[in-house]
Amino acid sequence: NAGVMQNPRHLVRRRGQEARLRCSPMKGHSHVYWYRQLPEEGLKFMVYLQKENIIDESGMPKERFSAEFPKEGPSILRIQQVVRGDSAAYFCASSPPQGRSTEAFFGQGTRLTVV
Amino acid sequence: AQTVTQSQPEMSVQEAETVTLSCTYDTSESDYYLFWYKQPPSRQMILVIRQEAYKQQNATENRFSVNFQKAAKSFSLKISDSQLGDAAMYFCAYTTGTASKLTFGTGTRLQVTL
Repeated sequence: NAGVMQNPRHLVRRRGQEARLRCSPMKGHSHVYWYRQLPEEGLKFMVYLQKENIIDESGMPKERFSAEFPKEGPSILRIQQVVRGDSAAYFCASSPPQGRSTEAFFGQGTRLTVV
Repeated sequence: AQTVTQSQPEMSVQEAETVTLSCTYDTSESDYYLFWYKQPPSRQMILVIRQEAYKQQNATENRFSVNFQKAAKSFSLKISDSQLGDAAMYFCAYTTGTASKLTFGTGTRLQVTL
């Protein structure tokens, strides 16, 4: 059973370009969470999605950031017109459809560098 | 808002010795879950141990155990018989009903020396 797969592992973008980060949850998992980790900091929650629905986007910046989790295919975190401050590691986690205290399974993250 | 505080940015322990990492949290909830995650240089987030707040018994996983003090809102991690492979960043995390919407502390970097 493959774990949470994120790609790419490393992404370099010039200021003003778009960044697309992909996350394939574990098999059977329908909940996806995105986190951002700035250098030397802990992970900060960004958004929680279920298939075709955004459940909680309270941690998402209001502009330039969007996320989706379509019926088919991976979850996508999209950052438009990237700036240097977007440089960070972005982690995806997935969990099964129901159950409390469910362990969050994390991917290995995508390190975004904006130059 | 819930907060998680790790007051030790760095800790060091000798191989085979025991070390305790501190974590405190602030919440008005009565039912919640606490976690310790390990992040080695590979960046992979690895769940070390989990504690349900309604359980009085402290969780234990092999060499890892917690001291959960609910009234004091304290959740420390004890690593016994430390090994070189334990060197990593350790993050304390908290969640309530939404299982994986985690609030993380700022982390403690653990060094293991010979």
